[in-house]
Amino acid sequence: AQSVTQLGSHVSVSEGALVLLRCNYSSSVPPYLFWYVQYPNQGLQLLLKYTSAATLVKGINGFEAEFKKSETSFHLTKPSAHMSDAAEYFCAVSVAGADGLTFGKGTHLIIQP
Amino acid sequence: GAGVSQSPRYKVAKRGQDVALRCDPISGHVSLFWYQQALGQGPEFLTYFQNEAQLDKSGLPSDRFFAERPEGSVSTLKIQRTQQEDSAVYLCASTADRVSYEQYFGPGTRLTVT
Repeated sequence: AQSVTQLGSHVSVSEGALVLLRCNYSSSVPPYLFWYVQYPNQGLQLLLKYTSAATLVKGINGFEAEFKKSETSFHLTKPSAHMSDAAEYFCAVSVAGADGLTFGKGTHLIIQP
Repeated sequence: GAGVSQSPRYKVAKRGQDVALRCDPISGHVSLFWYQQALGQGPEFLTYFQNEAQLDKSGLPSDRFFAERPEGSVSTLKIQRTQQEDSAVYLCASTADRVSYEQYFGPGTRLTVT
């Protein structure tokens, strides 16, 4: 069985500062990894995905993530935070890519003006 | 284009009532997923369809939960004899084909059991 741990239920950064949201996974087979963003009262939107190609993955809205097998991590970063980035972020894993996702508990990103 | 839609958006049920939640996936999408998201938690997988076939229902929490997709498009999640612990947001997602990794999510149905 696979699992995801997101360190920090809340992360606060200043506008313009680096955003770093942490995700560690556990999987018995090579995983497929995803980051989703959820705005209030909306569904989840895919930010980026790792599907065993390049280990550095670029997504929408300036976000990127790096797959590190040795650290079983898939941390999400953005060089410069914008007020519109304030939302809930979820890391997710699947073992077959097209099956059901296992999500972490989420990290609430707060942007300070 | 139209995304995944869910109805109703909000549902209040008295404990013991039956409820039915509807999901309209993106037209032509083969796979459909249901998730349950409790307050302050990440979504948890419930069940998965490929066309009309229910391939995985391992996440359904009890036999009070039942899902169907009879014609391979619209899906209904039914909860019988609702309990307070069933209160959550129920999310539906669809993917274009058997090998697509990107799941497109609907806005969810918020179920409150009183």
